[in-house]
Amino acid sequence: DTEVTQTPKHLVMGMTNKKSLKCEQHMGHRAMYWYKQKAKKPPELMFVYSYEKLSINESVPSRFSPECPNSSLLNLHLHALQPEDSALYLCASSQDHTVDYEQYFGPGTRLTVT
Amino acid sequence: GQSLEQPSEVTAVEGAIVQINCTYQTSGFYGLSWYQQHDGGAPTFLSYNALDGLEETGRFSSFLSRSDSYGYLLLQELQMKDSASYFCAVTGNQGGKLIFGQGTELSVKP
Repeated sequence: DTEVTQTPKHLVMGMTNKKSLKCEQHMGHRAMYWYKQKAKKPPELMFVYSYEKLSINESVPSRFSPECPNSSLLNLHLHALQPEDSALYLCASSQDHTVDYEQYFGPGTRLTVT
Repeated sequence: GQSLEQPSEVTAVEGAIVQINCTYQTSGFYGLSWYQQHDGGAPTFLSYNALDGLEETGRFSSFLSRSDSYGYLLLQELQMKDSASYFCAVTGNQGGKLIFGQGTELSVKP
């Protein structure tokens, strides 16, 4: 199984809502990542979890809150988002943080903030 | 800081060969990766070069010159399905941090 799954595929939320994005992998990978991608732009790293501990936070606003409940799951909790946060949110995993050059990406959640 | 430069667009015809260049400026360079992303899809890992030279995987090859801070992705026998965005990405001395270039949009014409 070389698949990373993400739910939901699409999400529309108001600026006062609270929602969560979910990501799952069953490849035994020990590093997991959240990226934000705007149209025609590269993925932009947000957070890195290594062995279920947060190892990198790229100065992401606190309205985005990551969580790694176990080695297979990664969540991104969203609260009080702004319209400019509308983007494709990608989850990825790699064998561990030292093999960061080969990442497996999920299909993403397309988020629209109204 | 870290920066990567690659052409924004490349057009080629089916059956042709195309080369997508990438130059980089980073601290603590470990290697250069290439990813493909179709419109509406997820990035897919293509190749990784940590050492100088050419790596070949089927129709795709990737090259690295560490002394020139330069690499390229070579796509041979182009097919329509190769139309996609191609990103070079570097890994540095902060484990887990993959920095992507701005991407090259490849259009393959019949």
